[in-house]
Amino acid sequence: GQNIDQPTEMTATEGAIVQINCTYQTSGFNGLFWYQQHAGEAPTFLSYNVLDGLEEKGRFSSFLSRSKGYSYLLLKELQMKDSASYLCVLMDSNYQLIWGAGTKLIIKP
Amino acid sequence: DTAVSQTPKYLVTQMGNDKSIKCEQNLGHDTMYWYKQDSKKFLKIMFSYNNKELIINETVPNRFSPKSPDKAHLNLHINSLELGDSAVYFCASSQADRHTGELFFGEGSRLTVL
Repeated sequence: GQNIDQPTEMTATEGAIVQINCTYQTSGFNGLFWYQQHAGEAPTFLSYNVLDGLEEKGRFSSFLSRSKGYSYLLLKELQMKDSASYLCVLMDSNYQLIWGAGTKLIIKP
Repeated sequence: DTAVSQTPKYLVTQMGNDKSIKCEQNLGHDTMYWYKQDSKKFLKIMFSYNNKELIINETVPNRFSPKSPDKAHLNLHINSLELGDSAVYFCASSQADRHTGELFFGEGSRLTVL
């Protein structure tokens, strides 16, 4: 079966950097996604990694190590609007998305 | 223009009733989905549907049924509502190319069963 682990909640300071980790177990793998979900809103796509390494997109970067079953989302120059839940999502061998419970990120001034 | 829209956004009803939630996407996508997000914030796939196949999560009770009049619409019908059906239901769509996996979500429909 599949399993996704990520911290329930993290706190960081405006202007700082935060790394949200995600570990997973799966028998088949076709990629890993990060989504952002503000409270009361729909999830929005942030990134997709299928090969090992770092993908950078503006203030956000996502890293993947398939051999370790590990990914992280790196957020730089944090802004108050970055307060949200960040969902680690696994695409299995059948191209089905398996959603983690999300990490609630709280940004303090 | 809203890419994926669903109605109603809020729905409060009694146990045992039958209700529907509508979803429309104007992105030209071939695949649409219904997800349920419960109080623990897990997003669980209920159905995925394109013009070729309907994939049903086997854990979904048969009181839930998707209906697609055309590829831009996927409605969710729920019969004999139960307390445990209270959740936020998200509609989503994606391109037929599974390898991208990027989903576009509607704003969600919060269902409360009393």
